[in-house]
Order: sequence, then structure tokens, then C-alpha cells
Amino acid sequence: SQKIEQNSEALNIQEGKTATLTCNYTNYSPAYLQWYRQDPGRGPVFLLLIRENEKEKRKERLKVTFDTTLKQSLFHITASQPADSATYLCALDKGDGGFKTIFGAGTRLFVKA
Amino acid sequence: EAGVAQSPRYKIIEKRQSVAFWCNPISGHATLYWYQQILGQGPKLLIQFQNNGVVDDSQLPKDRFSAERLKGVDSTLKIQPAKLEDSAVYLCASSLDPTGGGSYEQYFGPGTRLTVT
Repeated sequence: SQKIEQNSEALNIQEGKTATLTCNYTNYSPAYLQWYRQDPGRGPVFLLLIRENEKEKRKERLKVTFDTTLKQSLFHITASQPADSATYLCALDKGDGGFKTIFGAGTRLFVKA
Repeated sequence: EAGVAQSPRYKIIEKRQSVAFWCNPISGHATLYWYQQILGQGPKLLIQFQNNGVVDDSQLPKDRFSAERLKGVDSTLKIQPAKLEDSAVYLCASSLDPTGGGSYEQYFGPGTRLTVT
């Protein structure tokens, strides 16, 4: 069956460290993958998109990698801050050209001062 | 630039009652999405519009849910009759047309939290 897996357990890290979140998928061949941030009581906010022919994408303290062989994306936040505490959602398209986006359940990140 | 607007923000109804949610997307965004997000889960796509046409409604429970997008702008999502398992946050999002090399980035509204008792 098709599924997207993100760490269900919360990730707790110390301020200043690098947070690494994982997104694994099975039975999809996405043309692109996105990462969103969601704060409690709010809608998700787009962070980064990476395409299937890209290995890595960076934006300020954020870095995303995409390995279509491993069917995995890693999301890194360097020099993490307490303000980075949120739920991070991985989203991918079904790869059938229909532009339908499938979201993972998200990983909760807590950054301690 | 104004974001995606949704109303109401909260709604409490009893099972078997009906409810409607409204969404106003970002101006110029051709694509509009309705998602259902149950606590602890990621958003699940219910229906996707391209202008005022339906692109995908494969996960919309059509026996009780309906949605429309008049004139390709505002949209309403209706549930009739509601069930206990419909308790969730209903998110509306919009994007530029993703076809033809457009943007896939989705902009979300704040959501409507529905509680069915």
C-alpha cells in the first residue's frame, strides 16, 4: 500500500543544535516533495519544495535532501532556536501528473533553550 | 497580500445536524483545496478545484459532504448530516495553477475546528 512515514515521536533537541527530521514513503514516485510547518491552531505554512531531479535544497537555516532511490527526504534545521518548535509536515505528489498532494502525519519538534 | 480567509473558526453541532464552511482564497489563485485534519494526523485532501471545476474529489464522502466553488473564487464545504467522526479541523488552501510549470506551493487558511457531539 502507499504510505508516507514521519517520526511519530516528538524530537527534543537543545538550542543551537541541528534538528534532522525524516520522511519515508513507499509505493509513490513523486515528482516533487514539500515541507510545511504547522503551529498549534494554525494552518500549515510552506517552507521548501524539492524536485525529483534535485538532491539538495537550501533556504537560510533550512536544508532538504531527496533520495528517490531510498525513497526518503531529510529536513535539517541548523542552529535551531526555541521559535523553531512546531510540527513539520512532509508532503508529496502522487507522481501521476494529477498534482494531488499527500501529507504525512508530521513530526513534533521541541527546541529547548 | 491578504491570506486565505475561512469562517467560522469554530463550530459545535450535534450529530445529524448540518454545517457549512466558507473559504475565500488568495486573489488570483486558480486552485483551491479543502482538507480534513484529524488530531494527530496530517491534512487529508477532500476536494481540489481548478477554477470552478473539480480536479479530484476521490476522498470526499459524497453521501454527506458537498462542496462548490462559484465563479471560480469563494468556496463552501457542507456536511449533512454530520457524524461524530467528522470532528476535525477543516483547512482551505489555495495555490497558483500547478499545471504547465506553475507553483505547487499551497497557502493555507487558519482552519475551522468542528466538534460534533
